[in-house]
Amino acid sequence: QQQVKQSPQSLIVQKGGISIINCAYENTAFDYFPWYQQFPGKGPALLIAIRPDVSEKKEGRFTISFNKSAKQFSLHIMDSQPGDSATYFCAASKKGGSNYKLTFGKGTLLTVNP
Amino acid sequence: NAGVTQTPKFRILKIGQSMTLQCTQDMNHNYMYWYRQDPGMGLKLIYYSVGAGITDKGEVPNGYNVSRSTTEDFPLRLELAAPSQTSVYFCASSLGQGEYEQYFGPGTRLTVT
Repeated sequence: QQQVKQSPQSLIVQKGGISIINCAYENTAFDYFPWYQQFPGKGPALLIAIRPDVSEKKEGRFTISFNKSAKQFSLHIMDSQPGDSATYFCAASKKGGSNYKLTFGKGTLLTVNP
Repeated sequence: NAGVTQTPKFRILKIGQSMTLQCTQDMNHNYMYWYRQDPGMGLKLIYYSVGAGITDKGEVPNGYNVSRSTTEDFPLRLELAAPSQTSVYFCASSLGQGEYEQYFGPGTRLTVT
């Protein structure tokens, strides 16, 4: 059972365009939703994260939109640059108790053409 | 701080061989994790640890073992390597649970032939 579904699997965007990656989750106990960015040959690194008490979080060109009722969240990359080309993973976890493990989506390979 | 370091970077094993993937962190994090990453499959948790002497299974633990004798080190042992264990392995650590950032190492690419 895949608890976090991510789409699309790959995405090609022109420089300056908007990149949008979507994720849907099933477990309503999830209450922390991070996005990780991974460059080729490197480990993933935290990009931005959101809690369900807000509907949007923005950090520079990166924005997370969160829809609690639909159990969906998405990453928007504005003014996409070739340096943004990487694999992006959404994830989810729930705080409290002993369940702190991150459940990852399958990843989206983003290519930004110059 | 070096963060999370992993050795080796690459390794080729023959079927049935054993090896240990090393992971060390210098951030004094209590929580440590081992993931495997297969193309198009995301990151799957193999084992995790909440502190020295305490480990537990993740989503895909079969064929692997771990130990945590110190806060810094969290080695992953592969016994009787199989082709299905061909993957990229990442170690990670975090200060706390849940919404704390996980810091990943650079990975070990393992091929079993």
